Amino acid sequence: GNSVTQMEGPVTLSEEAFLTINCTYTATGYPSLFWYVQYPGEGLQLLLKATKADDKGSNKGFEATYRKETTSFHLEKGSVQVSDSAVYFCALTRTGFQKLVFGTGTRLLVSP
Amino acid sequence: NAGVTQTPKFRVLKTGQSMTLLCAQDMNHEYMYWYRQDPGMGLRLIHYSVGEGTTAKGEVPDGYNVSRLKKQNFLLGLESAAPSQTSVYFCASIEQGSYNEQFFGPGTRLTVL
Repeated sequence: GNSVTQMEGPVTLSEEAFLTINCTYTATGYPSLFWYVQYPGEGLQLLLKATKADDKGSNKGFEATYRKETTSFHLEKGSVQVSDSAVYFCALTRTGFQKLVFGTGTRLLVSP
Repeated sequence: NAGVTQTPKFRVLKTGQSMTLLCAQDMNHEYMYWYRQDPGMGLRLIHYSVGEGTTAKGEVPDGYNVSRLKKQNFLLGLESAAPSQTSVYFCASIEQGSYNEQFFGPGTRLTVL
């Protein structure tokens, strides 16, 4: 079946540090891949997405590249801010299914 | 546009009580979803709907029922609440046939004592 595996958190960083949150997936066919972010007390918001191999999604300084050969979609940011503290979810959906499969989420804590 | 709204925001129930969670969206989306979020388990799909008058089971449907009588509303019912249903519930919607993002509501925190 389809599944998403994320690194366990929390990830604790100082402001301006480099961020990587690992995400790997298992899926048949050619899924689309997403990163969602959940700020405290809120619902999930789409952060970025990639719909085919080698696509790079980017938004707000975050990037992730769809790597079919390693079945990965790692989230990166060059310099994190305190305001980036949130829970990040990797997710996939299969063509025609319109149902998201989520990873368990990774909490990021950024200190000043 | 309000986007996706959920009612109520918080609720405490006793075991065996019933309640209905309301989700409303004003984006004319065809597909709507109910998820539950539990620590260490991410979001799990309870039920979903691909259009007015249709519903389908997701990953964890037991103990829940849903209805989609109007396109803009998707109701989640708990007929006899159990402590295992203590969770945060999220509703989401998406435009049909696209890779566009799912839009999420702010969530309902439910505690069953």
